[in-house]
Amino acid sequence: EDQVTQSPEALRLQEGESSSLNCSYTVSGLRGLFWYRQDPGKGPEFLFTLYSAGEEKEKERLKATLTKKESFLHITAPKPEDSATYLCAVQLGAGGTSYGKLTFGQGTILTVHP
Amino acid sequence: GAGVSQTPSNKVTEKGKYVELRCDPISGHTALYWYRQSLGQGPEFLIYFQGTGAADDSGLPNDRFFAVRPEGSVSTLKIQRTERGDSAVYLCASSLSGKSTDTQYFGPGTRLTVL
Repeated sequence: EDQVTQSPEALRLQEGESSSLNCSYTVSGLRGLFWYRQDPGKGPEFLFTLYSAGEEKEKERLKATLTKKESFLHITAPKPEDSATYLCAVQLGAGGTSYGKLTFGQGTILTVHP
Repeated sequence: GAGVSQTPSNKVTEKGKYVELRCDPISGHTALYWYRQSLGQGPEFLIYFQGTGAADDSGLPNDRFFAVRPEGSVSTLKIQRTERGDSAVYLCASSLSGKSTDTQYFGPGTRLTVL
């Protein structure tokens, strides 16, 4: 069964304290891995898409990396406004009807204290 | 440049009632998705439309749930005989064409509470 697991469930950091969030997956035929940010009471906001092992993408203080079994979201010198739930999701390969849907992990709740 | 919009933002209903949730996708997006998010969990896929047709409805939990997109734009998720377990945030997303390289953009969600 396809699974996406995120760790830790919650992470508390001091402002400026860098860390990483993990997303591990056991799926067949990965087509893409997505990272989203979700603020309380809002829908997920797109951050990155990664397609192949070794790929990296950056945006401001965030950097996402991908291996064959997991993805990391690295947060460098975080600020309080980076506090949110970070979700990863996988999209499976073509074939059958699973082409469009995303399978999400449960999310990591990040809190950055000033 | 409007994003995905959903109405209502909140819906409170009684057990056994019928509800409709509406989604307006980004203009020009042919693919539309419905997800359901329970507290403390990631979104869970319900159904995917490509144009007017449901390309994948494998996530609908049972036959009380139904969704339509008659003109290939606005979609309505319909829930009959609501149960307390249906309480969740219902999210809608759209993408340009449904290809794996397309980003899914989410709306703010409708919070459904079944009393």
